[in-house]
Amino acid sequence: DQQVKQNSPSLSVQEGRISILNCDYTNSMFDYFLWYKKYPAEGPTFLISISSIKDKNEDGRFTVFLNKSAKHLSLHIVPSQPGDSAVYFCAAGSGSARQLTFGSGTQLTVLP
Amino acid sequence: AAGVIQSPRHLIKEKRETATLKCYPIPRHDTVYWYQQGPGQDPQFLISFYEKMQSDKGSIPDRFSAQQFSDYHSELNMSSLELGDSALYFCASSQTVYQETQYFGPGTRLLVL
Repeated sequence: DQQVKQNSPSLSVQEGRISILNCDYTNSMFDYFLWYKKYPAEGPTFLISISSIKDKNEDGRFTVFLNKSAKHLSLHIVPSQPGDSAVYFCAAGSGSARQLTFGSGTQLTVLP
Repeated sequence: AAGVIQSPRHLIKEKRETATLKCYPIPRHDTVYWYQQGPGQDPQFLISFYEKMQSDKGSIPDRFSAQQFSDYHSELNMSSLELGDSALYFCASSQTVYQETQYFGPGTRLLVL
């Protein structure tokens, strides 16, 4: 049973437009969420996180929204740049166990 | 800024051999996590250490063991390797076990023939 789901394996967006990556979770014990970006042959790079006590966190071009009632979060990238092309993983953790549970990732392609 | 260092980056072993993967956390990070990412799969948590003590355990096979040393580096020891152990092994570190953000190393790609 996958507790963190990224239902879109891929997404293509035009340069300068908004990229929206979605993530759903089933475990109500998760109390913080992170987004990672991963290039081939490299480790995941931390992008942005959000605690369950917030519904929005912003860092430059990246904004994460959390809807706890829907158990859904999304990552918005505005404006999208070709260098943003990578696999994006959503991950979740809880205070009682610091292990992260990952989604299966979404391949974002930003077209010039 | 210094990042998590993993060695070796690539490793090829035969079935039933042993392998040791090393992880050097970001300076002043005292918590280390190990993840395994099989082909086409998402990263799966194996084990973590905080202040040289095991803090959490995931889906780590009994054939694997790990420890964290006094300088906070960690080693993952894998014995009786099987074909299914072929994967990317990531190490991550955080400032403390109470710090939520984990910073990942580049990974070690293990191929078992």
